[in-house]
Amino acid sequence: SQQGEEDPQALSIQEGENATMNCSYKTSINNLQWYRQNSGRGLVHLILIRSNEREKHSGRLRVTLDTSKKSSSLLITASRAADTASYFCATDRSGIQGAQKLVFGQGTRLTINP
Amino acid sequence: DAGVIQSPRHEVTEMGQEVTLRCKPISGHDYLFWYRQTMMRGLELLIYFNNNVPIDDSGMPEDRFSAKMPNASFSTLKIQPSEPRDSAVYFCASSPGKETSYEQYFGPGTRLTVT
Repeated sequence: SQQGEEDPQALSIQEGENATMNCSYKTSINNLQWYRQNSGRGLVHLILIRSNEREKHSGRLRVTLDTSKKSSSLLITASRAADTASYFCATDRSGIQGAQKLVFGQGTRLTINP
Repeated sequence: DAGVIQSPRHEVTEMGQEVTLRCKPISGHDYLFWYRQTMMRGLELLIYFNNNVPIDDSGMPEDRFSAKMPNASFSTLKIQPSEPRDSAVYFCASSPGKETSYEQYFGPGTRLTVT
């Protein structure tokens, strides 16, 4: 069953604009991760945010986490054509430290138009 | 490091045939995962190993699927007999498993087509 649900399912914006994707989940988590998948490729890890963190930055990426609402958002600033990809959130539901079983959402398909 | 290596990259086979997918994880990673990705079901975890030991195989769809990890540098996912509904992209991923590093590193995937 799906733990993370991304919203929107698809997003199309102009190059240079900011892109925001949201993820909601159902149960308590240890960590939440965001991954990117280019067409025909494997997933690439972008950023991890722990349950006791509220915001994290990495380059043009900003991730927020609201455990009270069981939701996270990924913001990509100053988008580029190379950001065109599918973005997935993944949650670790296990209460066992290091168990690492992730459940992925269905993803948001992001298209950056030149 | 070359990253996670999977072979073959593409496999086309006929229904009923045995299919073996192979994975070499990143050296030093303690965890190895097998996923299946389809348009309908998204990315599903099939099984994962910790230090070569299967920990959770609850995602394996049925007895036709089996996975092994004979050593720290090699794992196989076998489907016998294969069926058209097994057509999907199969990913292998590995993870260091250390407290400060939970991210998973994915291979390029094997695109399986069963006719």
